[in-house]
Amino acid sequence: DAGITQSPRHKVTETGTPVTLRCHQTENHRYMYWYRQDPGHGLRLIHYSYGVKDTDKGEVSDGYSVSRSKTEDFLLTLESATSSQTSVYFCAISGTGLDEKLFFGSGTQLSVL
Amino acid sequence: QQQVKQSPQSLIVQKGGISIINCAYENTAFDYFPWYQQFPGKGPALLIAIRPDVSEKKEGRFTISFNKSAKQFSLHIMDSQPGDSATYFCAASMGWGAQKLVFGQGTRLTINP
Repeated sequence: DAGITQSPRHKVTETGTPVTLRCHQTENHRYMYWYRQDPGHGLRLIHYSYGVKDTDKGEVSDGYSVSRSKTEDFLLTLESATSSQTSVYFCAISGTGLDEKLFFGSGTQLSVL
Repeated sequence: QQQVKQSPQSLIVQKGGISIINCAYENTAFDYFPWYQQFPGKGPALLIAIRPDVSEKKEGRFTISFNKSAKQFSLHIMDSQPGDSATYFCAASMGWGAQKLVFGQGTRLTINP
C-alpha cells in the first residue's frame, strides 16, 4: 500500500470517548487525506493536509479534527465519538505533480457502541 | 448533495463479457476523472483516469469513455475475468495540488466463471 500504515486496524469504542487514528507514510508526499467509507456513500473526504501544520476541511468534517506535526504523520481525532462515526476510515497520500494518484492505506474499521 | 452519481450499485457479468459502469457529475469545474478498484479488506487503488480533453482512454482491458456535453463518463471492462470481481468507484476532482476527490457511491461487480 505505497508505504502507508494506518493504526489501529480495528477499534471498538464507546459513545462519548475520544479516539485518535494514525496515518504514517514513508513516501515523503506533500498531501495527506482522511476519508470515511460508508455503504451507499462511497468515500467522503473528512480533512486533508497540504503540509506540516497546514490542514483544511473536507466534505464531512464536523466532529473531527486533524493534526500534522511531521511530514510523515497525519492524525485524525474524534473528540467525542458518536454512533454515526462508525465507519471504515482510510488515509491517502499524493504528490505534487499533475494528476497525481491517491495512494490509500488499508483502512481502520471503527465501531462506536 | 451527491456531486457524482454512479450506477448500477451492483452488477453481475459472465466471464468473457463486457462490464459497464456509468457515472454522471454536476460540477463543470471538475477536470480529472479517475476510476478506483477496491478488493475486500483493502484500500481503493487507481485503475485508470481521464481528463476532459479526450473522449476515450484505453489501458489493456479497461476503457474510460467520456462525454463532456452530457457530463457523463463510464468504465468498460472487456473480456471480464473472475479476478475483476471487486467494488469500483468513479471520482472527480478539479485543479492542481490536493486531489480532493469526490467519489461515486460504488458498484459491486461480480464476474461469474
